[in-house]
Amino acid sequence: GQNIDQPTEMTATEGAIVQINCTYQTSGFNGLFWYQQHAGEAPTFLSYNVLDGLEEKGRFSSFLSRSKGYSYLLLKELQMKDSASYLCAVRDDNYQLIWGAGTKLIIKP
Amino acid sequence: ETGVTQTPRHLVMGMTNKKSLKCEQHLGHNAMYWYKQSAKKPLELMFVYNFKEQTENNSVPSRFSPECPNSSHLFLHLHTLQPEDSALYLCASSQDAGGGPDTQYFGPGTRLTVL
Repeated sequence: GQNIDQPTEMTATEGAIVQINCTYQTSGFNGLFWYQQHAGEAPTFLSYNVLDGLEEKGRFSSFLSRSKGYSYLLLKELQMKDSASYLCAVRDDNYQLIWGAGTKLIIKP
Repeated sequence: ETGVTQTPRHLVMGMTNKKSLKCEQHLGHNAMYWYKQSAKKPLELMFVYNFKEQTENNSVPSRFSPECPNSSHLFLHLHTLQPEDSALYLCASSQDAGGGPDTQYFGPGTRLTVL
């Protein structure tokens, strides 16, 4: 079967750095997405990786290793507004997105 | 209006009611999606429409009936639902359901409670 694993919950301190991991086992691979979802709101697109390596976008970076079936989202200089759930999704061979259950990130002052 | 909008934002219905959820996208996209989001579970893809044609129906019970009259509007008709259908229903759109990034953009969702 297809599976996306990510931690259920993480806690970090304002101003610090946090890394959210995602491992996947899917039938094929056509890109990996990270989305942010604040409570009661729509998921919003953060990043897309299709080749191995690191993609940096401001305070957020996303890394992909296709051979290991692994990605992480790195958040630097954490702010209180970064408290949200972070969703990892992989596009499979049928071009459908397979979603993880999300990681709830709690930022403490 | 910009992006993807959904109405209503909240809905409470009995098991014998009939209701409809509405989604509208203002992004000029050609593909639209319905997802179900339950607490602590992955997003479940329900239906996909690409250029107004339904291309995916992921074993969704017949009590959920989608309608896509044009590439900007998507409906989800509900009838004789069960309490376990209570969830957040999210609509999304993308340029088209093909290759490349084809990033999906989401609406705010309808929080559905079935009594």
